[in-house]
Amino acid sequence: GAGVSQSPRYKVTKRGQDVALRCDPISGHVSLYWYRQALGQGPEFLTYFNYEAQQDKSGLPNDRFSAERPEGSISTLTIQRTEQRDSAMYRCASSPTSNTEAFFGQGTRLTVV
Amino acid sequence: EDQVTQSPEALRLQEGESSSLNCSYTVSGLRGLFWYRQDPGKGPEFLFTLYSAGEEKEKERLKATLTKKESFLHITAPKPEDSATYLCAVHDSGGYQKVTFGTGTKLQVIP
Repeated sequence: GAGVSQSPRYKVTKRGQDVALRCDPISGHVSLYWYRQALGQGPEFLTYFNYEAQQDKSGLPNDRFSAERPEGSISTLTIQRTEQRDSAMYRCASSPTSNTEAFFGQGTRLTVV
Repeated sequence: EDQVTQSPEALRLQEGESSSLNCSYTVSGLRGLFWYRQDPGKGPEFLFTLYSAGEEKEKERLKATLTKKESFLHITAPKPEDSATYLCAVHDSGGYQKVTFGTGTKLQVIP
């Protein structure tokens, strides 16, 4: 595709429910990042994929958060048993390789009520 | 732990009034330093990557420079359309792929 696509754009869920956020990166991009961004803050790193390999998950806050990229393209970030503190903008970015410019998607605004 | 500090938090300039934004960083080893621009409601948009001290890159009215401890984004004769939040990020040369962002400088250019 022309850019990084994330879906849904907005998600409202009840506390305790599981949510899955999808990222479709730019075709051919090897590297994929997930970030979380609070209002007025810079993006906070969550996890990194090189092709289908999750090479860094040091930023995932706890074991309710997980991510996968099974075929080295589309990625899913899953949050289990959501809590209100999980409410944030979740952003995905892809890049041709690591340590090069990253292209960000529009993000998914998650609200846990 | 990697740290990125940006200053000032906010900057208001008259159109044509040049200035600089600062990004101070602490990493065990620098693989790359990135500058992004972010408009309200949108994702960050890539501007520059700098890899080693002394390196400089330019794009239109923007020029980024890098030393061993900080980077500057110089804005020459800014225009109102340069108004945005400018984010700095670092990629550590350690074994991890984590990229650490600063909190950004919100720039407003007044006509």
